[in-house]
Amino acid sequence: EVQLLESGGGLVQPGGSLRLSCVASGFTFHNYAMSWVRQAPGKGLEWVSAVSGDSASTYYADSVKGRFTISRDNSKNTLYLQMNSLTAEDTAVYFCTKDAPAPFDYWGQGTLVTVSS
Amino acid sequence: SYELKQPPSVSVSPGQTARITCSGDALPKKYASWYQQKSGQAPVLVIYEDTKRPSGIPERFSGSSSGTVATLSISGAQLEDEADYYCYSTDSNNKSVFGGGTRLTVL
Repeated sequence: EVQLLESGGGLVQPGGSLRLSCVASGFTFHNYAMSWVRQAPGKGLEWVSAVSGDSASTYYADSVKGRFTISRDNSKNTLYLQMNSLTAEDTAVYFCTKDAPAPFDYWGQGTLVTVSS
Repeated sequence: SYELKQPPSVSVSPGQTARITCSGDALPKKYASWYQQKSGQAPVLVIYEDTKRPSGIPERFSGSSSGTVATLSISGAQLEDEADYYCYSTDSNNKSVFGGGTRLTVL
């Protein structure tokens, strides 16, 4: 059974940093691209970032490019999202997703990031 | 920037067919996927590559695509299908985009 468990969310001040983690199980982690998708309170889904299975390729939404960094440690079956220079617009639930064979075919339960002073 | 447009809301009576549309200029050349999100839960993939249904998704869920419009159909809608539905695709540069979401009410 595929399981994705996010952690690392919390309250952070504007301009601060946070690192999210997602531990994966139930599939061969290094074979699959992974993504982060976020959802602001009461709003729709927004794709944030993706990384290939071998970490060779990374992709970012324009809204986070230059501030967020996606990475993975295949030895630990873990996906990360380093978030810097956070603003109130980054307040959201962040979901970790497995991206193949279908886009976002499995989702974690999400971790809430709140940016506020 | 590229947009996928969905109606904000759709209502259907139990047992009727619900249809939710998603329009985007790149859809003639790009696949669409659909996600169901019930209140307080993570999204669930219900349709991918326009028409394919993942294992475990009821047969009443189906997808189609014609020109610039992809459609999610739920035949014989049930109360448990009440949820927000999001379409997803990519633009001509393979940038990921979600539609704004459609709230399906079954009453």
